[in-house]
Amino acid sequence: EDQVTQSPEALRLQEGESSSLNCSYTVSGLRGLFWYRQDPGKGPEFLFTLYSAGEEKEKERLKATLTKKESFLHITAPKPEDSATYLCAVQASPDDYKLSFGAGTTVTVRA
Amino acid sequence: KAGVTQTPRYLIKTRGQQVTLSCSPISGHRSVSWYQQTPGQGLQFLFEYFSETQRNKGNFPGRFSGRQFSNSRSEMNVSTLELGDSALYLCASSFSVAYEQYFGPGTRLTVT
Repeated sequence: EDQVTQSPEALRLQEGESSSLNCSYTVSGLRGLFWYRQDPGKGPEFLFTLYSAGEEKEKERLKATLTKKESFLHITAPKPEDSATYLCAVQASPDDYKLSFGAGTTVTVRA
Repeated sequence: KAGVTQTPRYLIKTRGQQVTLSCSPISGHRSVSWYQQTPGQGLQFLFEYFSETQRNKGNFPGRFSGRQFSNSRSEMNVSTLELGDSALYLCASSFSVAYEQYFGPGTRLTVT
């Protein structure tokens, strides 16, 4: 069974204090790894898709990287508006269409 | 481009009743997935539809069912509601498998 573990569970940062979130996964054949951001009471918002080890994607202050066992979401010089829960999900191959999600990391950025 | 829409946004039901939730995917998306989100279990996959066919189903009892129409709109139904069914039900649409899934705002179901 696919397993996705995110750490830490919660992260409190000062504005401008860079940090990284970890997503480790166990899946029989990775089709894709996805990062989402979720604000309270809303649906997850898509951020990145990573398909193969060594791949990197960037968007504003966020950068996602992928290895064979884990993915990192780096937040550079965060602002209060980056406060949210960040979710990692994997999609296995070849016939599994579901996303298996981790429990998420809740990030709070203080001004 | 309009996003994924879900109706209703909030729902309060009594144990034993049944409920139907609706989802309209992004235009052009033919894959629709449903997820249940609770504080204890997180996001859990319910089922996925593509071209009106259910291709995958999660580990939920038969009380949870769904369908997809020819215009890709989807509905899910929960019969004989239990207190534990209280959750945020999320619908996500995708162009195809391995493409990113875009989520709607969810339907908050409360069972009393």
